[in-house]
Amino acid sequence: RKEVEQDPGPFNVPEGATVAFNCTYSNSASQSFFWYRQDCRKEPKLLMSVYSSGNEDGRFTAQLNRASQYISLLIRDSKLSDSATYLCVVSKAAGNKLTFGGGTRVLVKP
Amino acid sequence: GAVVSQHPSRVICKSGTSVKIECRSLDFQATTMFWYRQFPKKSLMLMATSNEGSKATYEQGVEKDKFLINHASLTLSTLTVTSAHPEDSSFYICSARDSGGGNGYTFGSGTRLTVV
Repeated sequence: RKEVEQDPGPFNVPEGATVAFNCTYSNSASQSFFWYRQDCRKEPKLLMSVYSSGNEDGRFTAQLNRASQYISLLIRDSKLSDSATYLCVVSKAAGNKLTFGGGTRVLVKP
Repeated sequence: GAVVSQHPSRVICKSGTSVKIECRSLDFQATTMFWYRQFPKKSLMLMATSNEGSKATYEQGVEKDKFLINHASLTLSTLTVTSAHPEDSSFYICSARDSGGGNGYTFGSGTRLTVV
């Protein structure tokens, strides 16, 4: 079983719609959680950290469920520019190595 | 915000030659840097953790004699792919975390290596 698993997609999303997807992690000792965005042939860029109580950044909402060991990302009012691969990233502690999921591809269409 | 500069961005080399990739933290000190490899349509796979002033820690299955890592200063880590072969062709990315705090990790822009 992979340490971090994601549905590869693609999720085809009409512009303006809401899309949500999850990521599961196998190591219960994981402490830090992130969502990164990666555009084709580019480096990953931090979208947002995921906090225990859940957090929101504009149109993006992240949730953490420690009991079931998954995190989620919800994108509201999707824009064409949201088309990208979203990487779920987990680490055991701050400063430790990151473990990446395989990514979920999102395609927002007019 | 924290910036990590990686170069070259793209390199084509012949089989059997060596290629050096540099990763610099421009406005912060990074005692630890990470080197990843990404094959097309795959996720990033950690190759090694680079520690300033000491030996790098390699992930299982990564040949340390083939992928030489040097982290001689708090702002520079290098990865040298020695005796490159076509199967080493990949996207190599470094990342670092600001030792002074901050959240998340900053990535270099990546190096696309093609071995012919």
